[in-house]
Amino acid sequence: SQKIEQNSEALNIQEGKTATLTCNYTNYSPAYLQWYRQDPGRGPVFLLLIRENEKEKRKERLKVTFDTTLKQSLFHITASQPADSATYLCALTRYGQNFVFGPGTRLSVLP
Amino acid sequence: KAGVTQTPRYLIKTRGQQVTLSCSPISGHRSVSWYQQTPGQGLQFLFEYFSETQRNKGNFPGRFSGRQFSNSRSEMNVSTLELGDSALYLCASRAPGQGTGYTFGSGTRLTVV
Repeated sequence: SQKIEQNSEALNIQEGKTATLTCNYTNYSPAYLQWYRQDPGRGPVFLLLIRENEKEKRKERLKVTFDTTLKQSLFHITASQPADSATYLCALTRYGQNFVFGPGTRLSVLP
Repeated sequence: KAGVTQTPRYLIKTRGQQVTLSCSPISGHRSVSWYQQTPGQGLQFLFEYFSETQRNKGNFPGRFSGRQFSNSRSEMNVSTLELGDSALYLCASRAPGQGTGYTFGSGTRLTVV
């Protein structure tokens, strides 16, 4: 069955640095991949979507890459701020199928 | 525009009871999905409804059921509650078209005692 892993359960970085989160998957060929942010006690919030034929997407301080050969997506937050502290989830899907979410990485940006 | 609304926000139930959770999607969104989130299992897909029809179903026992009404509002029901059903239940809606992201509600925190 498909499996999604996210690099680590928790990641601590210093304010101003670039945070890089990893999403790896096996036994799956997603049509597209999404990244969400989740704060404690709240539902996830959609951030970015990247399709299987796209290599990179950017939105303000966020950048996502998608390598279907490596079966990996990287999520970067540049010039990180304490307000970026949250859990970040990747989600994969094929057309007509449900989204499969990774376990998430809890990011803490230290002032 | 209003977001996805889930009610109630919190629930405490006793083992063996049943519960019904409600979700109102964003206006114009016909796809509604339900997820269960627990610390150990993460986000697990329950089911998806589109135009009152169940389109996909996750790997949950038959005690978990759902439905969608003509106005796209959705309900999920869990019968014969077990302690392990304690979780955050999230509803999400999506705009029409491929490649759109979910908009999640704030969830219903269910505690089974």
